[in-house]
Amino acid sequence: DAGITQSPRYKITETGRQVTLMCHQTWSHSYMFWYRQDLGHGLRLIYYSAAADITDKGEVPDGYVVSRSKTENFPLTLESATRSQTSVYFCASSERGSGGAGDTQYFGPGTRLTVL
Amino acid sequence: DQQVKQNSPSLSVQEGRISILNCDYTNSMFDYFLWYKKYPAEGPTFLISISSIKDKNEDGRFTVFLNKSAKHLSLHIVPSQPGDSAVYFCAAIEYNNNDMRFGAGTRLTVKP
Repeated sequence: DAGITQSPRYKITETGRQVTLMCHQTWSHSYMFWYRQDLGHGLRLIYYSAAADITDKGEVPDGYVVSRSKTENFPLTLESATRSQTSVYFCASSERGSGGAGDTQYFGPGTRLTVL
Repeated sequence: DQQVKQNSPSLSVQEGRISILNCDYTNSMFDYFLWYKKYPAEGPTFLISISSIKDKNEDGRFTVFLNKSAKHLSLHIVPSQPGDSAVYFCAAIEYNNNDMRFGAGTRLTVKP
């Protein structure tokens, strides 16, 4: 199906484990983003990518690693999960970088991650 | 620091009436503002946006107003419909900066 998908939709893991959240988009958008949503904070940018092999930090990057070997995929890895990383994670993509008309970000359905 | 603030966590209005959602920001470098709508178990979807060179943008039942001197924007929904019940996020961004900042969201309930 066309669009942006995330997997898994729900994940429970334990403190210290590595977990990878997947994001796939079929629009060939150049830009991809990872956000986390926490109560009282709205969405906060973790990392973004302007193109394959180009990534950059957002507002809250600590504890996360990203890669982008292919335009359509943008996995997010928690190398050693902590309880504070319990959150809902959203992936998004846009044709161009944010900053003006036409740069609308399209969001995936989210992954709810619980770290015990 | 939260650069974009939505001070009302929730809002309830009657069907057919106006809904007004408010948003304040602190960073004067923001020059583009957006509203996203989010239903449960779904990702946010873009609703409407406004550039800092404008003070109003309208799209059907949705109008966004920007007051730069007060660093305030608002979203008006007229008339409100039950299907508008959702969480609304205000977002802001500087040109050529990819770090879009979101408010905490306002949950709108439109009662039939």
